[in-house]
Amino acid sequence: GAGVSQTPSNKVTEKGKYVELRCDPISGHTALYWYRQSLGQGPEFLIYFQGTGAADDSGLPNDRFFAVRPEGSVSTLKIQRTERGDSAVYLCASSSNGQETQYFGPGTRLLVL
Amino acid sequence: GDSVTQMEGPVTLSEEAFLTINCTYTATGYPSLFWYVQYPGEGLQLLLKATKADDKGSNKGFEATYRKETTSFHLEKGSVQVSDSAVYFCALSDYYGNNRLAFGKGNQVVVIP
Repeated sequence: GAGVSQTPSNKVTEKGKYVELRCDPISGHTALYWYRQSLGQGPEFLIYFQGTGAADDSGLPNDRFFAVRPEGSVSTLKIQRTERGDSAVYLCASSSNGQETQYFGPGTRLLVL
Repeated sequence: GDSVTQMEGPVTLSEEAFLTINCTYTATGYPSLFWYVQYPGEGLQLLLKATKADDKGSNKGFEATYRKETTSFHLEKGSVQVSDSAVYFCALSDYYGNNRLAFGKGNQVVVIP
């Protein structure tokens, strides 16, 4: 079946602009995670959804970052007033309820100029 | 908080050589442990996992054993191929119920024919 998909694959924006990154999880997966991977580093946790609710948003770096999952499937990560330090690959993963294995999407590479 | 440490630097070795990548962890409780692999141009894929002490995860000729006494989960393969060239990430799964992953920095492995 289809895996996790993310759009766009690449996004270039200017400092101060607003961006939205989309994640389509595997069908039926109730858990959804966002991670951020900076160059040369491992992914870092941002936020976790169980269904429609954000069960853990403790990894969001500041209030410029926000994510939603209104219908319990697709999720959107929103970044306001982007800064150059936000440049990274943003990864989305999903898993079945109660299962530990997470399946990752290909990521969105964000570049803030 | 929970964390994972991987050995520093890339690993370059010849085809059919023995591969070891060290991974140690710090965690509260009894996390599950994972190795993820990222092949060039592709997304993160689960390679293997172990959910409790003394468990051995294995896949594609790779093995790792969950060692609670040394808090380690070293990855090994007896005879590498050029196709094993990739970045390898060690990770642990949060114990407190949301299964968020904490990753190491990753090790790039280059296998030379």
